[in-house]
Amino acid sequence: QVQLQLSASRLVKPSQSLSLTCAVSGGSVSSGGYSWSWIRQPPGSGLEWIGNIYQTGVTSYNPSLMSRVTISVDRSKNQFSLNLDSVTAADTAVYYCARENGHNTYFDYWAQGILVTVSS
Amino acid sequence: EIVLTQSPVTLSLSPGERATLSCRASQTVSSNYLAWYQQKVGQTPRLLIYRASSRAAGIPDRFSGSGSGTDFTLTISRLEPEDFAVYYCQQYGLSPGTFGQGTKVDI
Repeated sequence: QVQLQLSASRLVKPSQSLSLTCAVSGGSVSSGGYSWSWIRQPPGSGLEWIGNIYQTGVTSYNPSLMSRVTISVDRSKNQFSLNLDSVTAADTAVYYCARENGHNTYFDYWAQGILVTVSS
Repeated sequence: EIVLTQSPVTLSLSPGERATLSCRASQTVSSNYLAWYQQKVGQTPRLLIYRASSRAAGIPDRFSGSGSGTDFTLTISRLEPEDFAVYYCQQYGLSPGTFGQGTKVDI
């Protein structure tokens, strides 16, 4: 059973960077046929896909965030990370990491989300 | 990007009733690459349906998905108390994948 565990700083100041890490257990980030994604949900709102990284290391990003987002993978630690630069209050959201069954597909395993607040 | 519009916004029903949720896409969803998720308050979304009509592992058969092209439906045949939640559709036929705004099923 794949499990994802998310860790992050819960409070970030405006203009700084937001960093999150998702540790994977019960599976490998190098496993064939899967991508590892980031999704967020502003308070009281719907879901927004941020981007993903495929097992080959190829990344895809939502065009609305592409200029500020970097997703990377650490295969030695079996985890992947999100970095979002120049944050504003609009980036306040519950952030999730998830596994995609394929590349740019649906999400079959999710981590418990973390609320990250952007505030001075 | 493809915009998904879910209706109704809220569906008020009782246990034992049938729920029919709609998801309409702004353009054709390639290969019917549409998924449905259930999210309860304070919890993580849970995959119910993928490719419009395939049930995910462990999902009860009272949940069914149908539709093609731009119009998709999630049906819950007989609502159980644990089914009261928010339901989201997601298309993954065209990148970026997008979600609908959700339908809340409440009592």
